[in-house]
Amino acid sequence: AQSVTQPDIHITVSEGASLELRCNYSYGATPYLFWYVQSPGQGLQLLLKYFSGDTLVQGIKGFEAEFKRSQSSFNLRKPSVHWSDAAEYFCAVGDYTGTASKLTFGTGTRLQVTL
Amino acid sequence: KAGVTQTPRYLIKTRGQQVTLSCSPISGHRSVSWYQQTPGQGLQFLFEYFSETQRNKGNFPGRFSGRQFSNSRSEMNVSTLELGDSALYLCASRASGNHNTDTQYFGPGTRLTVL
Repeated sequence: AQSVTQPDIHITVSEGASLELRCNYSYGATPYLFWYVQSPGQGLQLLLKYFSGDTLVQGIKGFEAEFKRSQSSFNLRKPSVHWSDAAEYFCAVGDYTGTASKLTFGTGTRLQVTL
Repeated sequence: KAGVTQTPRYLIKTRGQQVTLSCSPISGHRSVSWYQQTPGQGLQFLFEYFSETQRNKGNFPGRFSGRQFSNSRSEMNVSTLELGDSALYLCASRASGNHNTDTQYFGPGTRLTVL
């Protein structure tokens, strides 16, 4: 069965500093990988996705992620964090069997940004 | 284009009652999935509907059920509510069953509190 691990429950960075959120997955086939962000009281917003092709994926709000098959990782990065980036971030792997689908999420990383 | 809408946004029920939550997908989207989010279990897949048919189901008891209408709107029902059903219930829609267009867009969620 597929699984996603986000080793960091909580991360604090200073505004303007760089950010890297870790994600490791377990999936038998070619993974479909996603990063979502959730602000308090809100739903999930898609930041970026990887289906195939270039292993460095650009997303919204200046985020990027790199797929590394050898390390089963899909880490999220941002060169300079803004205070508005404070939120919870979820990595997910898509499981597609036939035409059915579901997302399996990691436990999330809460990002705090200090001014 | 309007996003995924969920009603109601907040709901308070007592143990033993039943509840129905509603989700309207993005216009043109035919697939609707439901997820439960709790502090203890994180984000867990409930079920997916496509063209009024359930085509994937997560590991939840039979008290959790859903349906989809011909206009793609979906409802989920929880009968005989338990305290542990208190959660944020998220609905997500996607365009079709085609992997290549398979991005799930989430609604703001319905916050259910069971007393």
